[in-house]
Amino acid sequence: DSGVTQTPKHLITATGQRVTLRCSPRSGDLSVYWYQQSLDQGLQFLIQYYNGEERAKGNILERFSAQQFPDLHSELNLSSLELGDSALYFCASSVAPENYGYTFGSGTRLTVV
Amino acid sequence: AQSVAQPEDQVNVAEGNPLTVKCTYSVSGNPYLFWYVQYPNRGLQFLLKYITGDNLVKGSYGFEAEFNKSQTSFHLKKPSALVSDSALYFCAVRRLMNTGFQKLVFGTGTRLLVSP
Repeated sequence: DSGVTQTPKHLITATGQRVTLRCSPRSGDLSVYWYQQSLDQGLQFLIQYYNGEERAKGNILERFSAQQFPDLHSELNLSSLELGDSALYFCASSVAPENYGYTFGSGTRLTVV
Repeated sequence: AQSVAQPEDQVNVAEGNPLTVKCTYSVSGNPYLFWYVQYPNRGLQFLLKYITGDNLVKGSYGFEAEFNKSQTSFHLKKPSALVSDSALYFCAVRRLMNTGFQKLVFGTGTRLLVSP
């Protein structure tokens, strides 16, 4: 157990639907990062939060949004889902943006049918 | 922009033999480089990092990596491979953003298969 908890582990949903992925960072970590891993795109950075504030955006679609709550857990919301959104979604955390080691969760496997 | 490349999709090695997983980088300034490993159905696990100092960096599970500035490489190595080392390996580089924060940019990954 890495200390980063992601739920659910698996999610199957239909096109057009909306889902929420949840991440609890490792205790003491203030930064949360979301990555998408797909076969054709590799590991893509989506978004970063630090202590509740958005700090950086990567290749995140407008249909996707995220937030980090006061208790530091984070949620990634994916809406108007398409088949191509099927992927593994990873959350990682670190103590601070300056800390270079990330701890990854086990991921949420999203399948859009 | 800072990036890394992993030229091999897959590396095959026999158990007991030395292994090398290649990574080259493109960075302006001093690179901050990392290796992560991903086992099936698991998240990425940190192996080692190079920030500064000795060019040979030792990490978890007996792995090490050699930073070579002239060749802009950061190859992952292990003297004697184990079947349990079979996994997906990612090289990564720190990229500074205009917000002043940083993110890790990952290579495409190299699948290591160690045969008994």
